Amino acid sequence: AQSVTQLGSHVSVSEGALVLLRCNYSSSVPPYLFWYVQYPNQGLQLLLKYTTGATLVKGINGFEAEFKKSETSFHLTKPSAHMSDAAEYFCAVSGADNYGQNFVFGPGTRLSVLP
Amino acid sequence: ETGVTQSPTHLIKTRGQQVTLRCSSQSGHNTVSWYQQALGQGPQFIFQYYREEENGRGNFPPRFSGLQFPNYSSELNVNALELDDSALYLCASSLSGSGYTFGSGTRLTVV
Repeated sequence: AQSVTQLGSHVSVSEGALVLLRCNYSSSVPPYLFWYVQYPNQGLQLLLKYTTGATLVKGINGFEAEFKKSETSFHLTKPSAHMSDAAEYFCAVSGADNYGQNFVFGPGTRLSVLP
Repeated sequence: ETGVTQSPTHLIKTRGQQVTLRCSSQSGHNTVSWYQQALGQGPQFIFQYYREEENGRGNFPPRFSGLQFPNYSSELNVNALELDDSALYLCASSLSGSGYTFGSGTRLTVV
């Protein structure tokens, strides 16, 4: 069984400040981990994913995430927030043995960027 | 590549009715998954089709059913609509699970 928790349903940062969105997961099998972004009235866009190999993963728009197995975490960061980063962010896990057959998403974190 | 398109974008139905939502997958993508996203929540996996056969299902009742066609399009059918079925329905397509592209969704309101 797999599950995802995202600490903080709403995070506010100032433009130019560090963005940190937290994600913890549980998985009974080696996990594949994902971060998706959703803008209003749009579908999900993949920011980055971890499958195997390097634990620090770089994605689009300057985002990156680090897989920490010991902490069962996959937190998303960006050094400097931009107004266009305001959106809903979802962390998701999929088992390496059934990739794509059952993405389990977290409840999401709404990011607000203040001028 | 033309992406994933879903139709209609918005829909209002009455409780007890039936609804069909449509998804046109990216060309060549043989796998399609459907998700339900209730307001303020993350998407929940409904089912997945691979080469026109269902090959995975989440915790949804049988009144949620689907079809996948050879032309990369697919349908989600929901019978006997309930108020709790009101949600954004997302489809995502992939070539054998190598990476998923999501559509913009259909917003279903059941009254």
